Amino acid sequence: QKEVEQDPGPLSVPEGAIVSLNCTYSNSAFQYFMWYRQYSRKGPELLMYTYSSGNKEDGRFTAQVDKSSKYISLFIRDSQPSDSATYLCAPGTNFNKFYFGSGTKLNVKP
Amino acid sequence: DVKVTQSSRYLVKRTGEKVFLECVQDMDHENMFWYRQDPGLGLRLIYFSYDVKMKEKGDIPEGYSVSREKKERFSLILESASTNQTSMYLCASSNRGSGNTIYFGEGSWLTVV
Repeated sequence: QKEVEQDPGPLSVPEGAIVSLNCTYSNSAFQYFMWYRQYSRKGPELLMYTYSSGNKEDGRFTAQVDKSSKYISLFIRDSQPSDSATYLCAPGTNFNKFYFGSGTKLNVKP
Repeated sequence: DVKVTQSSRYLVKRTGEKVFLECVQDMDHENMFWYRQDPGLGLRLIYFSYDVKMKEKGDIPEGYSVSREKKERFSLILESASTNQTSMYLCASSNRGSGNTIYFGEGSWLTVV
């Protein structure tokens, strides 16, 4: 079983839609959770960082963590064509080891 | 802003050549990483280093070696390039300690012909 499972998509939505991106994980040791955005032929860039369960909001982006069900989500409100990218979830432990989902490719159509 | 710089963005090399991929970070991070990223396989860790001259194998170290002579610089070496090493290579760095995030470079696209 993979440490982190993520639907690869692609996910195609119209501009203005609410997007939900999700990951499940198996390791209870994961303490904090990151989302990365990766544009085509670029390196991943840190988008959101949350620690433990709960929600964190940053502009149009909301990260949600449910540690009891080992489920993490990223919501994008009022999606824009510039949000078209691949989104990777990345749980982390306290031991400097990082795990990554395989990424969900999102396409927001104008 | 954290800056992780990969010196070569696009390279084409011949089978059997020795290839060097260089990476420099400017945030005084202790940890540095090399990943490769392939469609459908996600990010796979090749090697990481938690200190100067220290290195640890990741999940797919075969065919690769690394060098970390200075804290800010981490090099990936393909001793004898093969076509199955055609990929995107990502360097990354992070601080040591809990709760730290990892920062990536822009990536190096390597094609081995």
